[in-house]
Amino acid sequence: SQQGEEDPQALSIQEGENATMNCSYKTSINNLQWYRQNSGRGLVHLILIRSNEREKHSGRLRVTLDTSKKSSSLLITASRAADTASYFCATDTGFGNEKLTFGTGTRLTIIP
Amino acid sequence: DSGVTQTPKHLITATGQRVTLRCSPRSGDLSVYWYQQSLDQGLQFLIQYYNGEERAKGNILERFSAQQFPDLHSELNLSSLELGDSALYFCASSQGLFYEQYFGPGTRLTVT
Repeated sequence: SQQGEEDPQALSIQEGENATMNCSYKTSINNLQWYRQNSGRGLVHLILIRSNEREKHSGRLRVTLDTSKKSSSLLITASRAADTASYFCATDTGFGNEKLTFGTGTRLTIIP
Repeated sequence: DSGVTQTPKHLITATGQRVTLRCSPRSGDLSVYWYQQSLDQGLQFLIQYYNGEERAKGNILERFSAQQFPDLHSELNLSSLELGDSALYFCASSQGLFYEQYFGPGTRLTVT
């Protein structure tokens, strides 16, 4: 079963615009991670945010976490054609249940 | 290049057959994870090993088994294959528990 659900399922924006994707999850988490996947290829880790953190940045990426709402968002600023990919959130619930559960993903298309 | 290698890249086999997928983790990584990705089920966690021991199990069928060897490489064995087992199988590795995961390029399995 999926722990995380990304919203929207698909997003198309013009190059240079910002893209925001959201992830909602059902149970309390230990960590939340975001990954990118280009079509048919392996996933690439983007950011890991711990449950006691609220925001994290990495280059053009900004991730926020709201544990009270059980949600996270990924913001990509100044999008580029190379950002076209599927984006997944993934959560773990801590010791005793360390498996990473992935959401359904957001398909992002950047229009040049 | 994530540093995780998987062989073979492609595998075509018939129903009822048995196959073995192989994964070599990044140098120094102790944890290995297996995932199945299909169009209808999304990315599903199968099993995790940490330093040779099974650590977490997901929705892995009884027909599937895996192990992690002393040199930390891992194998996923799929037996009595069915058409529905056709999917991309990814291996990932990480330093340990609750770290970011590095994914291999995947093995595309087609069962005919």
